[in-house]
Amino acid sequence: NAGVTQTPKFRVLKTGQSMTLLCAQDMNHEYMYWYRQDPGMGLRLIHYSVGEGTTAKGEVPDGYNVSRLKKQNFLLGLESAAPSQTSVYFCASTKSGTGANVLTFGAGSRLTVL
Amino acid sequence: EDQVTQSPEALRLQEGESSSLNCSYTVSGLRGLFWYRQDPGKGPEFLFTLYSAGEEKEKERLKATLTKKESFLHITAPKPEDSATYLCAVLRKGSNYKLTFGKGTLLTVNP
Repeated sequence: NAGVTQTPKFRVLKTGQSMTLLCAQDMNHEYMYWYRQDPGMGLRLIHYSVGEGTTAKGEVPDGYNVSRLKKQNFLLGLESAAPSQTSVYFCASTKSGTGANVLTFGAGSRLTVL
Repeated sequence: EDQVTQSPEALRLQEGESSSLNCSYTVSGLRGLFWYRQDPGKGPEFLFTLYSAGEEKEKERLKATLTKKESFLHITAPKPEDSATYLCAVLRKGSNYKLTFGKGTLLTVNP
């Protein structure tokens, strides 16, 4: 079982460029999330999905878009990257919304915007 | 708005020196409080879930406890391999499993 796989692991962009981060999970989880982690800020929720074809905004959604066309994949897009989007991005998933389940995280994607 | 405050920000211990990490929280309707461990360059790894005040859970040298306002992660006789950042998060009832995380405590255990 691979769990939650994020690609790419590292990426350097120039301001204004676009890119997509891919998250894939093989656990048949319904719920998926994108977080960003910055020094001194903790983990902040960008967008999330409670099932295939659904997406919703989290705490810091501006500048990002997401899609969940397949249950196992959750894509995070940056249309026009800005230096403020330099961060480590984590994808996570869980089976359902009950408190008995836990989030499983990917290893992270480190993005630098110059 | 849900809030989670962890203290201290950083803690340095000698091997075998027991201590506790604190997680204070404000949430309207707690569904669960979670502890995660994060090693450098990796994603957070689940440790414990606590659901109600008075509950305790243990795993090796770690014990997590919960009151109505805070949670403690007690580390007994730590070893260097316990060095990591420990994250606390709360889940509010009816929130579609949107966790609110604290900023974490960086624990360093020296041999």
